[in-house]
Amino acid sequence: QKEVEQDPGPLSVPEGAIVSLNCTYSNSAFQYFMWYRQYSRKGPELLMYTYSSGNKEDGRFTAQVDKSSKYISLFIRDSQPSDSATYLCAMSAKEYGNKLVFGAGTILRVKS
Amino acid sequence: SQTIHQWPATLVQPVGSPLSLECTVEGTSNPNLYWYRQAAGRGLQLLFYSVGIGQISSEVPQNLSASRPQDRQFILSSKKLLLSDSGFYLCAWGRISGANVLTFGAGSRLTVL
Repeated sequence: QKEVEQDPGPLSVPEGAIVSLNCTYSNSAFQYFMWYRQYSRKGPELLMYTYSSGNKEDGRFTAQVDKSSKYISLFIRDSQPSDSATYLCAMSAKEYGNKLVFGAGTILRVKS
Repeated sequence: SQTIHQWPATLVQPVGSPLSLECTVEGTSNPNLYWYRQAAGRGLQLLFYSVGIGQISSEVPQNLSASRPQDRQFILSSKKLLLSDSGFYLCAWGRISGANVLTFGAGSRLTVL
């Protein structure tokens, strides 16, 4: 079993839809949770990060962490064609030197 | 502000040839530096990380090596490339404290023929 599981997609949605991207993990020691967006042939860029459980909102993006279920989500409201990219979740634990463990990434396609 | 530069962006190399990918960071001192490889559908695999000059930790046994000759310079090398070394290589920097959020370079796409 991988430490971090993420559905590779592709996930295809119409413009304006609400998108839900998810990751599950097995290591309860993870404390920091991040979402990166990666456009084709580019390096990943950080979208959001959260510490422990709870929600965090930034514009059209909301990150949610449920540590009891070992489940994290990224919601995108009013999705745009420019949101088409691969979304990678990542997480880290202090006891492992805070090295990030990444999911495989979900390909998102927003159709206009 | 901090920036990270990575080059070359693309290269095609024959099997058995050497490799050198370079990464430099500006606007910060004593960063933690990382080399990742990304294969299609497999996410990012950590290859090497460094917490200081001359300090290199290897995460997986492989045909590659890394060096950190200066505080803000990180180099990925190979003496003889294999076909399996093809991939998208990413350099990143981060801080060990707190969330250790990583900032990535634009990547180097290596094709070994």
